[in-house]
Amino acid sequence: AQSVTQLGSHVSVSEGALVLLRCNYSSSVPPYLFWYVQYPNQGLQLLLKYTSAATLVKGINGFEAEFKKSETSFHLTKPSAHMSDAAEYFCAVSDTGGFKTIFGAGTRLFVKA
Amino acid sequence: GAVVSQHPSRVICKSGTSVKIECRSLDFQATTMFWYRQFPKQSLMLMATSNEGSKATYEQGVEKDKFLINHASLTLSTLTVTSAHPEDSSFYICSARVPSGVYEQYFGPGTRLTVT
Repeated sequence: AQSVTQLGSHVSVSEGALVLLRCNYSSSVPPYLFWYVQYPNQGLQLLLKYTSAATLVKGINGFEAEFKKSETSFHLTKPSAHMSDAAEYFCAVSDTGGFKTIFGAGTRLFVKA
Repeated sequence: GAVVSQHPSRVICKSGTSVKIECRSLDFQATTMFWYRQFPKQSLMLMATSNEGSKATYEQGVEKDKFLINHASLTLSTLTVTSAHPEDSSFYICSARVPSGVYEQYFGPGTRLTVT
């Protein structure tokens, strides 16, 4: 069975500071991993995905994530936070067939001016 | 990129009535679509997987007679909430899987259902 754990339901950073959102996964098969962002009252938008190629994945809006198999982690980072980054972020894992995607509980990012 | 639309974006209905929500893939064919329910400040809960031309697969605990799913074409899936009750009020989100490449999902903007 697959699962995702996002550490910290809320993260607060100052504008211009480093953003680090933590995600650990559990999977018995090589996983596909995703980060999605959700703005209020909207659907989810794909930020980036890991597909067993490069372990450092770059996404949209300056975000990137690194797959670390030894740590079963896929943390999301951005060097410099912007006010527009304030949103809910979901980490997700899917099996290689992509038939079911499991979402983490989400982390709400607050950006202070 | 792949675009998924949902209609309506918001709906208010009276208890006991039925509501239909449409999910469309606008620029690609989606053999598989997913329906999620999201409660305030919570994650997405998968309700069912909708496959074109066949019956939907419901997750454990989801009432298939209450949440009717139809995937009649490669671009349209519908979710009908039958005999809605206030506890059915929620944010419903659909997604479609792009069959080529990595199987990431593209999400619709969601439908806010309020049952009074």
